[in-house]
Amino acid sequence: GENVEQHPSTLSVQEGDSAVIKCTYSDSASNYFPWYKQELGKGPQLIIDIRSNVGEKKDQRIAVTLNKTAKHFSLHITETQPEDSAVYFCAAINQAGTALIFGKGTTLSVSS
Amino acid sequence: GAVVSQHPSRVICKSGTSVKIECRSLDFQATTMFWYRQFPKQSLMLMATSNEGSKATYEQGVEKDKFLINHASLTLSTLTVTSAHPEDSSFYICSALSGTGDSSTFGSGTRLTVV
Repeated sequence: GENVEQHPSTLSVQEGDSAVIKCTYSDSASNYFPWYKQELGKGPQLIIDIRSNVGEKKDQRIAVTLNKTAKHFSLHITETQPEDSAVYFCAAINQAGTALIFGKGTTLSVSS
Repeated sequence: GAVVSQHPSRVICKSGTSVKIECRSLDFQATTMFWYRQFPKQSLMLMATSNEGSKATYEQGVEKDKFLINHASLTLSTLTVTSAHPEDSSFYICSALSGTGDSSTFGSGTRLTVV
């Protein structure tokens, strides 16, 4: 089945710096790649997603890039703020094309 | 936007008892819902796919007789942890397919503690 690898597991940046989180997936048939932000004790919140027919998508300070040939996609956060501190998960659709398979998560800490 | 409500948010139960968790799509119909389990500082692990009007599909290693899933309507799926034991203590999260069919909205999760 689909396998999603995520790096790094932890990331510490200074406020205003950029943060990049990378993921790779195994199933070349996967065509939907969301990113979720999870705060302590809460469910994941979708922050941005990308489908396989595009290579990049941007929403204000957040962007996602996709390289289907290499089977990897990345989350880019610019001008980081302390409230960006959370656990970020990448995901890809499973082989059945329904459920999401998650990476192991990245704990992002933004210090002011 | 799509909203998924999950209840209860926290529950403590005695070992051997059963606990039911509800997942509701508030402003859309969800023919497919998913149940995940998350241990502290770990990722979300898919437990099962819940389809309205049919049996749930369980992932390998998940005991279907222990984790009973019912999806009796287009807006409600329930997960019942039967004969709970301390090792079942975890954060359980549901999600529902919304919009175009591949975008998932998550509930706020249920912290289950079995004592």
